[in-house]
Amino acid sequence: ELKVEQNPLFLSMQEGKNYTIYCNYSTTSDRLYWYRQDPGKSLESLFVLLSNGAVKQEGRLMASLDTKARLSTLHITAAVHDLSATYFCAVGNTGNQFYFGTGTSLTVIP
Amino acid sequence: DSGVTQTPKHLITATGQRVTLRCSPRSGDLSVYWYQQSLDQGLQFLIQYYNGEERAKGNILERFSAQQFPDLHSELNLSSLELGDSALYFCASSPPGRGTQYFGPGTRLLVL
Repeated sequence: ELKVEQNPLFLSMQEGKNYTIYCNYSTTSDRLYWYRQDPGKSLESLFVLLSNGAVKQEGRLMASLDTKARLSTLHITAAVHDLSATYFCAVGNTGNQFYFGTGTSLTVIP
Repeated sequence: DSGVTQTPKHLITATGQRVTLRCSPRSGDLSVYWYQQSLDQGLQFLIQYYNGEERAKGNILERFSAQQFPDLHSELNLSSLELGDSALYFCASSPPGRGTQYFGPGTRLLVL
């Protein structure tokens, strides 16, 4: 079974600072997703990364994928309070099964 | 609003009972996915359907079953319910390919 490790589990950061969330997975994957979840809400898709070296950016968030290292990162630039949420990575295998990380609970402090 | 709808929003039932959760995908999406989110197990993929056919299975219990109908809506049936089945159940849909999955608002199930 594909294992997905996400860290850190909890992240408290000051507004204006930069930080990175890491997502490691154990076996070959053919797609990687990043999602955001606000408390009591559903999941919102942020990025889909399909190939080695893929980099996508939206606002203050940038995601990248290194399939050789089996690692994806979600980089937060100049954090603002609105980014406070839980972030999940999810990995899909060639059998169309999907595995989620444990989530990173991000709190941005003024 | 993702365009994916799920009913009901909340469901309270007793152990041993059976419930049906319903999902309508976004217009044009052929794939439907079901996920379970609980505090102890996190987010788990249950099953995927594509245009009416089962495509992939995840950690779905034998007491659970699903189907996708010709109009592409899907139902997840949970039977012989146990306390541990209490969770949020999400449905997601996607267009053909390896693209974005759009999640519905979820059904919160409480088994007493």
